[in-house]
Amino acid sequence: DSGVTQTPKHLITATGQRVTLRCSPRSGDLSVYWYQQSLDQGLQFLIQYYNGEERAKGNILERFSAQQFPDLHSELNLSSLELGDSALYFCASSVGGTGTRETQYFGPGTRLLVL
Amino acid sequence: GENVEQHPSTLSVQEGDSAVIKCTYSDSASNYFPWYKQELGKRPQLIIDIRSNVGEKKDQRIAVTLNKTAKHFSLHITETQPEDSAVYFCAAIQGGSARQLTFGSGTQLTVLP
Repeated sequence: DSGVTQTPKHLITATGQRVTLRCSPRSGDLSVYWYQQSLDQGLQFLIQYYNGEERAKGNILERFSAQQFPDLHSELNLSSLELGDSALYFCASSVGGTGTRETQYFGPGTRLLVL
Repeated sequence: GENVEQHPSTLSVQEGDSAVIKCTYSDSASNYFPWYKQELGKRPQLIIDIRSNVGEKKDQRIAVTLNKTAKHFSLHITETQPEDSAVYFCAAIQGGSARQLTFGSGTQLTVLP
């Protein structure tokens, strides 16, 4: 157990819908990262937050958005869902900074299936 | 941005043999290189990492080597066991304040008993 929690574990929804994925980082970690894992794209970085502020953006679609709250949990919002959005979505957290503080620990993931 | 290439995509070894997975990266400013093991349907788990000021790091049966000049790093697993079977991902973090991981495409390692 990495100490990073994600809910829900599984999500089945229809095209065009909107869903929210939730992540709670390890105690003491200020940085939260979201990654998407699909069969054809591998593990792709979506977005990073550090202490409530967006730090970096990767291959995140405009239909997707995220935020980090004052208690440091984060939510990833996916809207106007398409079949191709079906994937495993992982959240990772780190203390933040460099050296040993940058080691990222992954949550168990949310498996999203869009029908 | 950073680009990480990983080889081979699949690797089968006999139990007790060694396994080597290689990665190359593109950005010379990258300075942190973790390796993750992922079992089917589970989270990526960090197994070892190395920073750019070190050339080699070892943890029991696992070792990682880094060649900054050639921009490549490798994972070595000795005395492989069936429970080592999984997908292994290399990754790199660029320099700067954003610390996101760029992953390789993964290697499916199968250890045959």
